Amino acid sequence: AQSVTQPDIHITVSEGASLELRCNYSYGATPYLFWYVQSPGQGLQLLLKYFSGDTLVQGIKGFEAEFKRSQSSFNLRKPSVHWSDAAEYFCAVGPYSGGGADGLTFGKGTHLIIQP
Amino acid sequence: DTAVSQTPKYLVTQMGNDKSIKCEQNLGHDTMYWYKQDSKKFLKIMFSYNNKELIINETVPNRFSPKSPDKAHLNLHINSLELGDSAVYFCASSHRTSGNEQFFGPGTRLTVL
Repeated sequence: AQSVTQPDIHITVSEGASLELRCNYSYGATPYLFWYVQSPGQGLQLLLKYFSGDTLVQGIKGFEAEFKRSQSSFNLRKPSVHWSDAAEYFCAVGPYSGGGADGLTFGKGTHLIIQP
Repeated sequence: DTAVSQTPKYLVTQMGNDKSIKCEQNLGHDTMYWYKQDSKKFLKIMFSYNNKELIINETVPNRFSPKSPDKAHLNLHINSLELGDSAVYFCASSHRTSGNEQFFGPGTRLTVL
C-alpha cells in the first residue's frame, strides 16, 4: 500500500529564512506527487505537482520541490519565507496509472510557524 | 467563480440525527471525492465517484452514503450521526486523465454533540 511520511510535525522558521519541508513516500511505481497548503480554516490549495520529466518542479508562491527517486523523497523548498506562508503543508501521492479514480494518500502534515 | 463549493460551511447537530453535505464543481471534471480531516488534521479518502459510479470506498461505515445526481454534484449523506463523526469534510474533483490533480472545496466542519 502506498504511504506518505512527513517527519516534521512542526517547523519554526524566521521570516526571510529559507525553508525545506520533508516528504518521503512508499509506492510501487512512479508516483504522482503533490504538495498542498492549508491556511487556518481554509481548504487545500495545490502548490505544485510532479508527474514526470524534470525532477525539479516550480510551483506557486515561490515554492519548488525536487523529486529524488533514489531517496523516495519529494521535499518542498522556498528560499525566503514570508509571514503569510504560515500554514499546514501536506504532501500527497496518487496512483501511477493516472486513471484518476483513486483518492490521494496524504501525509500527516507539517505545521509551519513563521517568527518575526 | 468558485471551482468547488460545499454547503454548509458549518454544521452542528445532535447524535442520532441524519444530515447531508452538498458539493458542486463547475470545472467540468468527471471524478469527485470526499475526504475526512480529523482533529489531528489527518486527511483520508472516503469515496470517489466517476461517471456516477462508486470507484473506491475505503473502510467507511455504511452510515455514510455518497449520492451523485449528476457529474457536477456529489453529496454526502450521513445517517445516525455519532460523536466520532465530528471532523472537517472536504469535497474534491479531478479529471480522470489529469494525473489525479485534485481541486478541493473549502470544507464543512461537522460537530456532533
